[in-house]
Amino acid sequence: RKEVEQDPGPFNVPEGATVAFNCTYSNSASQSFFWYRQDCRKEPKLLMSVYSSGNEDGRFTAQLNRASQYISLLIRDSKLSDSATYLCVVALYNQGGKLIFGQGTELSVKP
Amino acid sequence: DVKVTQSSRYLVKRTGEKVFLECVQDMDHENMFWYRQDPGLGLRLIYFSYDVKMKEKGDIPEGYSVSREKKERFSLILESASTNQTSMYLCASLDTNTGELFFGEGSRLTVL
Repeated sequence: RKEVEQDPGPFNVPEGATVAFNCTYSNSASQSFFWYRQDCRKEPKLLMSVYSSGNEDGRFTAQLNRASQYISLLIRDSKLSDSATYLCVVALYNQGGKLIFGQGTELSVKP
Repeated sequence: DVKVTQSSRYLVKRTGEKVFLECVQDMDHENMFWYRQDPGLGLRLIYFSYDVKMKEKGDIPEGYSVSREKKERFSLILESASTNQTSMYLCASLDTNTGELFFGEGSRLTVL
């Protein structure tokens, strides 16, 4: 079983749609959680951290469920520019700062 | 702005050649990482380092070694390149205050 699992997609949605991605992790010692965004042929960049109480940044909402060991990302009112691959990342700081990436979920927003 | 610079964007090497991929960061980060990214497999951790001269194996260290002689520089070495090491290699450094990873632009290696 992979340490961090995501549905690879692709998710094809129309502009304005709401779309949600889930990510599950297997190591209960995981300490921090993030969503990264990767555009085609570019390096990943941090989209947002995921806090225990859930957090929102504009159209993006991230949630963490430690009991079930999953995190989610909700994108409201999708824009064409949201088209990218979204990577779930789990940090294990008690292992020297090891960060584990999910495979990524591809999102394509269509006009 | 944090900058992570990888020495080569594109390389083509032959099987059996020794390959050096260099990475330099300018933010005094202690933790640095080397990943490879392949279609369908995502980013996989090769090696990481949390201090000068310290290194830890990631999930796929076989066929690779690393060097961290200075805090700002983390090098990935392929002693004898093989075709299955054709990939995109991404270096990253970690801001331990925020938990944010900063990536270089990547080095696309082709081994013929």
